[in-house]
Amino acid sequence: DVKVTQSSRYLVKRTGEKVFLECVQDMDHENMFWYRQDPGLGLRLIYFSYDVKMKEKGDIPEGYSVSREKKERFSLILESASTNQTSMYLCASSFAGREQFFGPGTRLTVL
Amino acid sequence: EDKVVQSPLSLVVHEGDTVTLNCSYEVTNFRSLLWYKQEKKAPTFLFMLTSSGIEKKSGRLSSILDKKELFSILNITATQTGDSAVYLCAVYPHNNNDMRFGAGTRLTVKP
Repeated sequence: DVKVTQSSRYLVKRTGEKVFLECVQDMDHENMFWYRQDPGLGLRLIYFSYDVKMKEKGDIPEGYSVSREKKERFSLILESASTNQTSMYLCASSFAGREQFFGPGTRLTVL
Repeated sequence: EDKVVQSPLSLVVHEGDTVTLNCSYEVTNFRSLLWYKQEKKAPTFLFMLTSSGIEKKSGRLSSILDKKELFSILNITATQTGDSAVYLCAVYPHNNNDMRFGAGTRLTVKP
């Protein structure tokens, strides 16, 4: 079974803090993705990566950065967290053009 | 701009009812359409559709794609309370590694 794990299920941070969300997959997938999910807006793509050290901006990259130093690991970084970044963050991985497998999500609250 | 629209946004039915969820899309260079089920946590994959008119079936769930009219439907027969979830539709364009998601349909099945 594909397993995608995320470093935290729940996280509470203060405005201005630097936040790291980490995602690890064990299926040797080339592609990894970070989404945020907000009520009524569905899943919106923040960044994705199709190879180690490669990244592409999604629909809403502002305020976020990513890092992929190893194939199995994809990190999302909030350089200076703001209250409008309170959301559910979902990581996913896939082979190119195939279904994505999702992690359990991290519910981030920024106070 | 690529767009995926799901309807209805929410639906309440009783156990035993049959439901049809809709997904229409406008995507440049369509490659495939996927359906996911999301309960309390991560979306789980249901179907991937690439060809028109070929029904995919898994138990009480089935789905079909119409590439001419640019939509797909997800049918659930003899609904059960365990079918209560948000159902997400997503589309893969060609030459892209990222999927575009609809906002989802929230299905509630009452006993």
